[in-house]
Amino acid sequence: GENVEQHPSTLSVQEGDSAVIKCTYSDSASNYFPWYKQELGKRPQLIIDIRSNVGEKKDQRIAVTLNKTAKHFSLHITETQPEDSAVYFCAAPDVHDYKLSFGAGTTVTVRA
Amino acid sequence: EAQVTQNPRYLITVTGKKLTVTCSQNMNHEYMSWYRQDPGLGLRQIYYSMNVEVTDKGDVPEGYKVSRKEKRNFPLILESPSPNQTSLYFCASSLVSQGRETQYFGPGTRLLVL
Repeated sequence: GENVEQHPSTLSVQEGDSAVIKCTYSDSASNYFPWYKQELGKRPQLIIDIRSNVGEKKDQRIAVTLNKTAKHFSLHITETQPEDSAVYFCAAPDVHDYKLSFGAGTTVTVRA
Repeated sequence: EAQVTQNPRYLITVTGKKLTVTCSQNMNHEYMSWYRQDPGLGLRQIYYSMNVEVTDKGDVPEGYKVSRKEKRNFPLILESPSPNQTSLYFCASSLVSQGRETQYFGPGTRLLVL
């Protein structure tokens, strides 16, 4: 099955700086890579996703890049704000069945 | 309002006492799934269902059962709960199977097994 590793586990950034979270996956056939944000006490919610036919996707201050050769994808948050403080999860589906594997999560803290 | 609901939201029980956590969605999604969230381990999939009467194991199915008799409901059953099943549980649904579309999560159920 798919194995997703996520780094770092915690990330502290100064407000206004950028944050980058990286995930690696094991199955080269995987073709869909979502990122979820979970604020304290809330449910995870999708913030951005990318499919394997593109290398980068942007939505305002967040972007995701995909390197299929190296089997990794990254979340980039620019001009971080206090409301970006949350746990972020990457995920990848297993192409051989219908499972969805998540990374262990990154706790992002934006310092004022 | 499109949503996924779970009940109960909080539950304290004792070892061996059977319990059911309900999950319901009103978006006509085919795919539904249960996850448990534990510190440092992220979200781990317990069971998933591609449609009515079709269910399959995720990565951590031991000690859990599910059923999918109706499209909108996907209850999680713990026949004999144990303390290692103390966790935060999320139900989720998506429009397309294989988990390749947006997963919509329920509000979560926090379970404590004594």
